[in-house]
Amino acid sequence: QVRLQQWGAGLLKPSETLSLTCAVYGGSISGFYWSWVRQPPGKGLEWIGEINHSGDTGYNPSLKSRVTISVDTSSNQFFLRLTSVTAADTALYFCARVVTVTKKFDYWGQGTQVTVSS
Amino acid sequence: NFMLTQPHSVSESPGKTVIISCTRSRGSIANNYVQWYQQRPGSSPTIVIYEDNQRPSGVPDRFSGSIDSSSNSASLTISGLKTEDEADYYCQSYDSNNVIFGGGTKLTVL
Repeated sequence: QVRLQQWGAGLLKPSETLSLTCAVYGGSISGFYWSWVRQPPGKGLEWIGEINHSGDTGYNPSLKSRVTISVDTSSNQFFLRLTSVTAADTALYFCARVVTVTKKFDYWGQGTQVTVSS
Repeated sequence: NFMLTQPHSVSESPGKTVIISCTRSRGSIANNYVQWYQQRPGSSPTIVIYEDNQRPSGVPDRFSGSIDSSSNSASLTISGLKTEDEADYYCQSYDSNNVIFGGGTKLTVL
């Protein structure tokens, strides 16, 4: 059974860089895309971007200038980096596995709350 | 880019049937698969319908999905409502550049 476990700093100041890690257990990182999705308090889901095992990426155009997603196949982990955060980046961040062709998000991490406050 | 528009909330009684719509603003709904996710408070989303109308193993057959090209929309139908179905539901689709989630529908089972 595939399991995603995520972690990272939960409290940031404006202008700092958000960094999150998602570890994949019970399956290979190859053959799928791996995505980050966020959910501001009381609001809906927003796709941030994705990466495959080869390092091919896709990003939400609205966040592209600040986002980097990377992968380490040797440790079965992928990463999110979001620069120059503001209060608008306060959200619950999820990692998820994405079936490549159909864009089905079939496994999700437990979520990491990130709060940006001075 | 396109948007997926869902009703903000729906409510229905136990045992009844509810339909949640998801309308695509630009581009054909039939061009890219639609998925539906259930999210209970404090939990991660879980998939209940994929590829427009497919049900993952473990999801009750009370859940079904469809698309309608004439209205350019997708629908999630939940029949025989149970109190445990009370949750937020999100549709999701994509194009060549982006993955889009609908704004979510809060289902209340009174």
